[in-house]
Amino acid sequence: AQSVSQHNHHVILSEAASLELGCNYSYGGTVNLFWYVQYPGQHLQLLLKYFSGDPLVKGIKGFEAEFIKSKFSFNLRKPSVQWSDTAEYFCAVNAGGQNFVFGPGTRLSVLP
Amino acid sequence: DAGVIQSPRHEVTEMGQEVTLRCKPISGHNSLFWYRQTMMRGLELLIYFNNNVPIDDSGMPEDRFSAKMPNASFSTLKIQPSEPRDSAVYFCASSLEGVGPYEQYFGPGTRLTVT
Repeated sequence: AQSVSQHNHHVILSEAASLELGCNYSYGGTVNLFWYVQYPGQHLQLLLKYFSGDPLVKGIKGFEAEFIKSKFSFNLRKPSVQWSDTAEYFCAVNAGGQNFVFGPGTRLSVLP
Repeated sequence: DAGVIQSPRHEVTEMGQEVTLRCKPISGHNSLFWYRQTMMRGLELLIYFNNNVPIDDSGMPEDRFSAKMPNASFSTLKIQPSEPRDSAVYFCASSLEGVGPYEQYFGPGTRLTVT
């Protein structure tokens, strides 16, 4: 069965700091990869997705993620975070069909 | 597009009462998912439907939970009888499964509190 792990439960950064959130998955075949963001009190929204092609994917709000197949990783990055990036971030993996597995989430707190 | 619509947004009920949560997926989407989110367990998939048919309900906690999708534009998640440990935010999501990959669109959630 697929599984998704996220390295950090809670990350605390100051504004303008760089961000990298780790995501690893366990599945040997072709996967589709997603990062979702959940702002406080809101629903999950798609941040970015990787289906094929360039392994460096750019999403909304200055976020990007890099798919490294050999490491089974899809880490999320942002060069300079803002207070408004405070949210919970979920990595998700789809290995075809409707089998969609979410990671446990990483809570990001950005201090002004 | 109105997005995925869920009702009610908040529900407070007493233990033992029946609770019904409702979801309207995005028009044209053919797959619908029910998730539960708690601090302790994170985001859990309860059940999903494809073309109104339940495909995988292995995440449904126990017989007190049931879900239906009578047509392509409506689904319900029912808890009977409810218990305090059912308190959580319940999300509905929909997607269009077809040729090629897809993504899930989430509704605003229903925050359920069982006292």
